[in-house]
Amino acid sequence: DGGITQSPKYLFRKEGQNVTLSCEQNLNHDAMYWYRQDPGQGLRLIYYSQIVNDFQKGDIAEGYSVSREKKESFPLTVTSAQKNPTAFYLCASSRTSGTSYEQYFGPGTRLTVT
Amino acid sequence: AQSVTQLDSQVPVFEEAPVELRCNYSSSVSVYLFWYVQYPNQGLQLLLKYLSGSTLVKGINGFEAEFNKSQTSFHLRKPSVHISDTAEYFCAVSKETSGSRLTFGEGTQLTVNP
Repeated sequence: DGGITQSPKYLFRKEGQNVTLSCEQNLNHDAMYWYRQDPGQGLRLIYYSQIVNDFQKGDIAEGYSVSREKKESFPLTVTSAQKNPTAFYLCASSRTSGTSYEQYFGPGTRLTVT
Repeated sequence: AQSVTQLDSQVPVFEEAPVELRCNYSSSVSVYLFWYVQYPNQGLQLLLKYLSGSTLVKGINGFEAEFNKSQTSFHLRKPSVHISDTAEYFCAVSKETSGSRLTFGEGTQLTVNP
């Protein structure tokens, strides 16, 4: 089955540590996205990439970093500079051509930093 | 830049009652419109989308939405809800010219009571 996988489902870290969230897709999509979700605030875009080896900051990129070395993979690193990293993180992918641009979402990773 | 407003943060209804979740958007250019559903601790699933053509769009699980360009609205409706429809619903918009980048509303929590 084609889809997006995110691992792990739950992640716990101590304050001051960097942590990397995994996102893999086998939908052959060019574009990939990372969102942060907090209660009552909807989804906020952290970073997105429309092609391998290129990515752009979203609305809340501070304290995060990404890489896009392969089409299938778009890992997100939450650095110690992120002031409030505890949240639910969602990865998505989509086509960038044609007539259908809906994003397909992974199951999410819930990160807790104490 | 475009924006999305979901007018109700919470909508409680009784089982088998009709429901409408309201979404308004603002944009200076033509847009694509989407509704997504999120069950607890899961990713988002596409319910329906409007790209062009008929303004009444039918989606999965018996939901439909109507695009109203003059009122810049895209309200989601279901004639008879089930307990299993309890979830959070997100309206999203993308500019036709930018392809896949989405702007999300803050979400509406639909709770169906027996």
